[in-house]
Parts: sequence; C-alpha cells; structure tokens
Amino acid sequence: DAGITQSPRHKVTETGTPVTLRCHQTENHRYMYWYRQDPGHGLRLIHYSYGVKDTDKGEVSDGYSVSRSKTEDFLLTLESATSSQTSVYFCAISESSLDSNQPQHFGDGTRLSIL
Amino acid sequence: GDSVTQMEGPVTLSEEAFLTINCTYTATGYPSLFWYVQYPGEGLQLLLKATKADDKGSNKGFEATYRKETTSFHLEKGSVQVSDSAVYFCALRDRIWDMRFGAGTRLTVKP
Repeated sequence: DAGITQSPRHKVTETGTPVTLRCHQTENHRYMYWYRQDPGHGLRLIHYSYGVKDTDKGEVSDGYSVSRSKTEDFLLTLESATSSQTSVYFCAISESSLDSNQPQHFGDGTRLSIL
Repeated sequence: GDSVTQMEGPVTLSEEAFLTINCTYTATGYPSLFWYVQYPGEGLQLLLKATKADDKGSNKGFEATYRKETTSFHLEKGSVQVSDSAVYFCALRDRIWDMRFGAGTRLTVKP
C-alpha cells in the first residue's frame, strides 16, 4: 500500500469555524491531490499540487485553500466551514510522469461533519 | 469537458454469478482508463488500468477492455464472491493532474 496518512480520520465541527486536514506521504511523489466524495458525484477534485509551493485549483475549489511547504505534506483548509462542506475528503498521490497512465493512490479518507 | 458515466446501482448478485458494470466516457484526447474499488471505511484502491485502445486490463479475475470505437471500459468478472462486495469507480485521466471519476456502482454479492 502507498504510504499515505490522512489526519484526522473523523472530525465534527461547527459552521463558521476553520478546519485543516492533513495529508502526509512517505513515497516522495511529486503530485498530491485533495478530493471530496459525495453520494452520486463520485470523487471531485478540490486542489492539487505539482511540487513544493506549487498548487492549482480543481473542479470544486471554492471555499478551500491548500498549502504544500514540504514534499511530504499537503494541507487542506476550510477557512470558514459551511454545512455544504460536510463530506468525505480523500488525499491522493501520483508519481512524476509526463504520461497520464500513472494511477493515483489514495489515503483512507477523513470524514468531516459540519453542524 | 472529459467525463465518465457508470451504470447506476446498486447491483445485487448471487455468489458465482457473472458481473458486468458498464462504463462509458467522453474525452477530447486519448485518456488512460482505470477501475478503482472502495471497501467500507477505506480509500480507493486501483483494480486495473488500460492506457490505449484495445488494451485489456486485468486483476483478481476482473477484466476491462479499452474500446475506443464505443468509448467504453466495461468491468467484468466471470464468478463473483462475497468478498467482491464494494463500490466500484470507473475513471479516466487525460492530463497528469486531471482524473475524472464516475459516480460509483455499489455491488453486493450474496452467498
């Protein structure tokens, strides 16, 4: 299994509070991703990173920010959580490659509930 | 933009039945195609992949063939087991950073 650790695994918080989720990898992969999983939508990309301090927006980036200060860590922040951000969040990594045939490897997810 | 459409579930089968989960895609380029499996409480695990037309991916008795002419990548298994019960996701990747997933199909296999 790819060495990906997400923390926390579960979190319950209130609307309007800041929340930070952490993804830590031990594979030294260049690319890291944050997805959210919601029923009927599969996984949707929030943000991704292609190197230290290099990040870009995905399909559903509104209300989220990310940071990557080290190769192994990718943080996802909800500056002011809303109930619509209740979801399961997955981190993924993939190797450096010019080809798109490299798969992504996923962490076990963080279940976030915003009341 | 690129997209993936999976057959809606849930799918319920008896043990040893034949499984097909349909997946079709829309892409402007020449994507790689993937099937992932998700067990309860876990992340997605790569099941198989195919990177060009007519490629067949296979793993653990599951197979899928990349059909460019029908833009499809249907997942099949000849004889399912109870342990195959999970959610299955079809996905395509046309650019390194851009992987698109289908909505997922929940499979339940009964003894």
